[in-house]
Amino acid sequence: AQSVAQPEDQVNVAEGNPLTVKCTYSVSGNPYLFWYVQYPNRGLQFLLKYITGDNLVKGSYGFEAEFNKSQTSFHLKKPSALVSDSALYFCAVRDRGSTLGRLYFGRGTQLTVWP
Amino acid sequence: EPEVTQTPSHQVTQMGQEVILRCVPISNHLYFYWYRQILGQKVEFLVSFYNNEISEKSEIFDDQFSVERPDGSNFTLKIRSTKLEDSAMYFCASSAIGGNTEAFFGQGTRLTVV
Repeated sequence: AQSVAQPEDQVNVAEGNPLTVKCTYSVSGNPYLFWYVQYPNRGLQFLLKYITGDNLVKGSYGFEAEFNKSQTSFHLKKPSALVSDSALYFCAVRDRGSTLGRLYFGRGTQLTVWP
Repeated sequence: EPEVTQTPSHQVTQMGQEVILRCVPISNHLYFYWYRQILGQKVEFLVSFYNNEISEKSEIFDDQFSVERPDGSNFTLKIRSTKLEDSAMYFCASSAIGGNTEAFFGQGTRLTVV
């Protein structure tokens, strides 16, 4: 069965510091990997995805994520956090063999960036 | 920028009542989905819909749930007889194709069953 783990419910960082939000997965085969962000009273917004190729993928708002196949991880990173990055972040995976597109989500990590 | 829109944003209903949650996916998208998020829990897949039929459904999507695309733009989720445990945020999503394309999500409908 596919599963996604976000081991930290909360991450707190100071503005200007680097941030990392962790994600590990357990799936059969090589999945597609996604990060979404949810601001209060908003839907899930796509940030970035890993399909193939370079293990470091860049996405919206200065975020990037590193795919590590041996560790089955896809951690979200940003070199310099902003207060406006404070939100709920979800890691998601999709079976590479699936054309139907079902996503499996982690529980989410609440990121708080303080001034 | 095109977006997925959902109505209503919040619905309160009595247990046993039927509710219909509405969604307008992005116009050129072909795959449509419903997900839900019970408060404090992970986002869970309910159903995917393609070519006017259900492609996949989860174990959550039992006989009390149904989906429909009644016209060229709307995509609805019906819950026939709501239960307290149906209280959740329901998200509609769409994607241009499946596979490696990202899904775009609506802002959600908060369903409260009392």
